[in-house]
Amino acid sequence: QKEVEQNSGPLSVPEGAIASLNCTYSDRGSQSFFWYRQYSGKSPELIMSIYSNGDKEDGRFTAQLNKASQYVSLLIRDSQPSDSATYLCAVKDSGSSNTGKLIFGQGTTLQVKP
Amino acid sequence: GAGVSQSPRYKVAKRGQDVALRCDPISGHVSLFWYQQALGQGPEFLTYFQNEAQLDKSGLPSDRFFAERPEGSVSTLKIQRTQQEDSAVYLCASSLEVNTYNEQFFGPGTRLTVL
Repeated sequence: QKEVEQNSGPLSVPEGAIASLNCTYSDRGSQSFFWYRQYSGKSPELIMSIYSNGDKEDGRFTAQLNKASQYVSLLIRDSQPSDSATYLCAVKDSGSSNTGKLIFGQGTTLQVKP
Repeated sequence: GAGVSQSPRYKVAKRGQDVALRCDPISGHVSLFWYQQALGQGPEFLTYFQNEAQLDKSGLPSDRFFAERPEGSVSTLKIQRTQQEDSAVYLCASSLEVNTYNEQFFGPGTRLTVL
């Protein structure tokens, strides 16, 4: 059973701080990694994708990937109360014959306090 | 442009009833996925279509679940003889093509409650 593990939280940070969200995965063959944001009662919204080791920055968001350690992280700089949501880590299943099936973690709830 | 749309947004069914959930993917998207999301959990894969072909149905929990995409666009997920454990949010996602870098975009979901 391929797994994606996240700390469910809640992770609480003050407004303006850096929020660090972490994810580990078991599928060594995975090549594609995604972070989704999900507000309560809403559907997942794609915020970052990363495919190569290292960092990828987009605005206040930075995704980090370390395939050797099977570890993905998301940093949110200058956190805002509007960032309060559940963040889902998703990993493309390498064994799904290139169908694109995603395996999700259970999500980390982030609370940004004013 | 329009995103993925799903209908109905909410469905209440009595145990034993059949339900049909519709997904209209982003225009031109080849790949279509169905996921099931239980409360407090991440989405779990149900099935995948490439155009009209159902290439992976390994996540369907029982033979009561059936999905189709006859013309390679709109898809319907049908659940027969619903049970209480089928209560969940059913999410549809689409992506432009099938490759390593596919990004999936989700619809708003259908919240199914089985009484």
